[in-house]
Amino acid sequence: DARVTQTPRHKVTEMGQEVTMRCQPILGHNTVFWYRQTMMQGLELLAYFRNRAPLDDSGMPKDRFSAEMPDATLATLKIQPSEPRDSAVYFCASGLGLGQGSSPLHFGNGTRLTVT
Amino acid sequence: AQKVTQAQTEISVVEKEDVTLDCVYETRDTTYYLFWYKQPPSGELVFLIRRNSFDEQNEISGRYSWNFQKSTSSFNFTITASQVVDSAVYFCALSEADSNSGYALNFGKGTSLLVTP
Repeated sequence: DARVTQTPRHKVTEMGQEVTMRCQPILGHNTVFWYRQTMMQGLELLAYFRNRAPLDDSGMPKDRFSAEMPDATLATLKIQPSEPRDSAVYFCASGLGLGQGSSPLHFGNGTRLTVT
Repeated sequence: AQKVTQAQTEISVVEKEDVTLDCVYETRDTTYYLFWYKQPPSGELVFLIRRNSFDEQNEISGRYSWNFQKSTSSFNFTITASQVVDSAVYFCALSEADSNSGYALNFGKGTSLLVTP
């Protein structure tokens, strides 16, 4: 079974530290999404890529968050400096599109981030 | 702007009862997709179904069924003869089908379903 792989599963860090979350999309998928889940806001879209190019990152706080796809097998989400309000579960998802031959979005297991 | 409303925050049922989770959506697009995802206590998001706006046929998969009605902008999810393993948070989501702008999912707030023995 092909899966989206996210690392680390859990991360505890102190305020001000840099955090990097990684995602390996399903091989062959051309679209990658980053979502954040909190109790208050639910599932929020942070950024997404198609064919490694960023399509939209308007959901991300630009001053501290950055998302990249250095290659087709790796997507990264970086927070620098981290703040307690960044504590959340961060999900990566990948897919092929919605037209003919498309696939639904497949989500990774998430990275649970705690910033103290 | 797209919007998905799941008015039921929490539902509690006894095993073997039927339960319906409501989902109402708003969109100006004529072409769109609707989804349901399940998030069990372990935390992963599991895809259940995708439906496009041109296909209003209801769908049944085992104990799960979905009722899509464009006239009321609803895409409700029914679990028949619920089981304890159905306990989870269920999310309804909406996506545009514009391949030029991407097709990000816009999620509702979720409905937490608790099935007790």
